[in-house]
Amino acid sequence: GALVYQYPRRTICKSGTSMRMECQAVGFQATSVAWYRQSPQKTFELIALSTVNSAIKYEQNFTQEKFPISHPNLSFSSMTVLNAYLEDRGLYLCGARAAGGLAEQFFGPGTRLTVL
Amino acid sequence: GDKVKQSPSALSLQEGTNSALRCNFSIAATTVQWFLQNPRGSLINLFYLVPGTKENGRLKSAFDSKESYSTLHIRDAQLEDSGTYFCAALYAQGLTFGLGTRVSVFP
Repeated sequence: GALVYQYPRRTICKSGTSMRMECQAVGFQATSVAWYRQSPQKTFELIALSTVNSAIKYEQNFTQEKFPISHPNLSFSSMTVLNAYLEDRGLYLCGARAAGGLAEQFFGPGTRLTVL
Repeated sequence: GDKVKQSPSALSLQEGTNSALRCNFSIAATTVQWFLQNPRGSLINLFYLVPGTKENGRLKSAFDSKESYSTLHIRDAQLEDSGTYFCAALYAQGLTFGLGTRVSVFP
């Protein structure tokens, strides 16, 4: 079956520091990976969509300078939250999709970021 | 957000009863997915729909692309059905989520 792992599951960082989170697809080839953030009491905001061999597309209010993403192969992606502040706290989810733009998206369990 | 309007925002069900959740799309969606978010935050895939209907146990979902809506029906609700249900529509930039329906099933 299609599985997506994320790590760490939880992380705490001091305000102004950075943290990196990772996403791994198992059982299928993740040609596209989307990163989302669920802030407290909110729905999921799309941060960026990364497709192998294509430029990463960031949504409004999110930038590469703040959330650099790496998607080097069909099973792995990472995202860093640079200079994290209180408003960056929340649950970060990666969703991976196999080849074919209409394929079902599978999500990892998320990385919960707390900023002190 | 604005593209995906999910209703109701909250639902309280007695065990054994039936109910329905709905998502309306202001912009035509290609495919729709329904998820259940468990207390730990993980998203559990319930349905992946191109236009049409699917059924899985006590859950049934439909996606009507012409009328731009999707529904999720819960039959014979059980305590373990409690949680927050999200619909998400696929657009060019990725999935857009509704705001969720918090379902509470009581004995």
